[in-house]
Amino acid sequence: EAGVTQFPSHSVIEKGQTVTLRCDPISGHDNLYWYRRVMGKEIKFLLHFVKESKQDESGMPNNRFLAERTGGTYSTLKVQPAELEDSGVYFCASSQHGQGGSPLHFGNGTRLTVT
Amino acid sequence: SQQGEEDPQALSIQEGENATMNCSYKTSINNLQWYRQNSGRGLVHLILIRSNEREKHSGRLRVTLDTSKKSSSLLITASRAADTASYFCATVSGGYQKVTFGTGTKLQVIP
Repeated sequence: EAGVTQFPSHSVIEKGQTVTLRCDPISGHDNLYWYRRVMGKEIKFLLHFVKESKQDESGMPNNRFLAERTGGTYSTLKVQPAELEDSGVYFCASSQHGQGGSPLHFGNGTRLTVT
Repeated sequence: SQQGEEDPQALSIQEGENATMNCSYKTSINNLQWYRQNSGRGLVHLILIRSNEREKHSGRLRVTLDTSKKSSSLLITASRAADTASYFCATVSGGYQKVTFGTGTKLQVIP
């Protein structure tokens, strides 16, 4: 089966610009998660979708971040306007069942650099 | 807030030696998972241990869990150069079963 794919793999933008990250989960996985790792720190939870609904978005840093999962398939994470502190690696993961009983399958991440 | 915290932050060993990484966490958990990340790649699930389990094995991996001390350890026996990677523990807790990662341990296995 195809794994979780993320696009783009790298993005370099200027402060104030907009960037949209995309994640295609494994087919049939209802659960989709976004995480972020900033400069070697912990991998921080951003939000969790179950199908098209946001189950938990407690990790979203502020209203400059908008995540969508229309139709319950792929998801996008938009940052608008981008700030310097948004730089980091954004990971997407999916799982078949609820988080507790199934491992997460991760994409390779999108490395975002805001200059 | 950070839930899992790995120790040590970095570890360098010779091929064939055993590597032990520790993870401490703060709140009660449903289960705990360990992941590996090779440079530039996504995380790969290694092993899951439930809160009512104390020890689990998978190949050269051995995981222990002490819920009274809120800690877990990952032992990799007979290490290989290919084991060089960052290792993360992840705690699963709460009704929504939120998965929270720590900062990771960077393991280098020298051939």
